Parts: sequence; C-alpha cells; structure tokens
Amino acid sequence: QLVLTQSPSASASLGASVRLTCSLNSGRSNYAIAWHQQQPEKGPRYLMKVDSDGNHRRGDGVPDRFSGSSSGTERYLTISSLQSEDEADYYCQTWGTGIVVFGGGTKLTVL
Amino acid sequence: QVQLVESGGGVVQPGGSLRLSCAASGFAFGTYGIHWVRQAPGKGLEWVAFIWYDGSNKYYADAVQGRFTISRDNDENTVYLQTNSLRAEDTAVYYCAKDPAGISYMDVWGKGTTVTVSS
Repeated sequence: QLVLTQSPSASASLGASVRLTCSLNSGRSNYAIAWHQQQPEKGPRYLMKVDSDGNHRRGDGVPDRFSGSSSGTERYLTISSLQSEDEADYYCQTWGTGIVVFGGGTKLTVL
Repeated sequence: QVQLVESGGGVVQPGGSLRLSCAASGFAFGTYGIHWVRQAPGKGLEWVAFIWYDGSNKYYADAVQGRFTISRDNDENTVYLQTNSLRAEDTAVYYCAKDPAGISYMDVWGKGTTVTVSS
C-alpha cells in the first residue's frame, strides 16, 4: 500500500520561509513525489517533482523561491520569501504500478 | 500554450450517467498519458483514472472501477471519462491533467468541470 501523510495546516509570516513535509510510508524511501499548489477557488498547479536523492525539477514559471528536498521517506517543499499569494493548499503526490496517490494536503496560511 | 479544457459536467440523478471530455491543445497530444482527478466539496484531491498515450493501458481507482471508463481519440486530441451508476459521493470537480512520462505525475492541469449527483 502506498500512503502519503501531510500535516493538515501550517503557517508562517510574510517574507519568512516555511518547509512543508510529505511522508511516504515505510519501505518507500526510493519513491519520487510531485508537489502541487491549489490557491483558493482555483484548480491545482504543478510545482515540482522531487526525487529520492533530493533532486528537484520545477514546472514552467514556478519561481525559484520554491525548492524541494528529500531525507529517507520524507519529501519537503520549502518556500522562501513568503508572499500573500503563496497562501494555498499544497498536495504531494506519488505513483506506483497502475496507481496514483495524493496526500491529504497542507493548508498554508501566510500571516 | 499547453492547455487542457474539461467539459460535460452537470447535475445528474443517482444512478445516472455523464460523459466528461478533456480537450487538449499546444502539445503533441498523442505522445502523453492523461489523468482524471477529482475533488469533492471541501476535500482533497483524489486520483480517478489514467490512460496511456496510445490508449493501450488504463488504470482506475478502486472507488470507480467498474463504473467509470476512460478513453481517448488522438485524432480529436480529446480524452473522455464515461461515468455510469453515479452516486452522491461522486459529486466533485473533475480535472484532467497531462502526465509527462508514463503513469507518474501531472505537469499540466485543466480548470475542471463540476459533476453534481443529486435527486
């Protein structure tokens, strides 16, 4: 079974940095994930893919304030220089043979 | 530019059917797989189905297996989701999304079409 776990909420101040965490279930440390952003009342937007070695590839037009990293079964999304438009839901997502899984999402509040 | 546009949503009674469409433009449609993902009101994203670039392989979430069918017409640059035996819990915004490599992740999303199942 493939499971992704995210904290339901996070908050940080305008201009600060925040790191969101996505946890793969045990034994899945070699899995890549993708991060998606969903601003209020909008559809999702692809942010980046994060490999198990921490390499990440941002989508077109995604600012370099967004970065990804990995450690074991944890995958991270770090947002620096927080802006008001970063207030959104953030979903991690992974895949296996014939299956795709989303985490429950983290609601980020910019204070 | 790369674009996906969903259509076909609406209000349907329990047990009814709808066919959703996803029209693609701005990329070599016939070389990429396409996902359908849904989001119930106030809930998170839920993967629904995926179809390979040539339609040769299709995968479904357990919640829709046997009721939904994904298909594509590469001449029309369109992917379809036939939804049958609809239930109240199928009420959601349905998004299609492009996959850059087999069955993996979504790198381009549409804006969604809303399906409401209600009597």
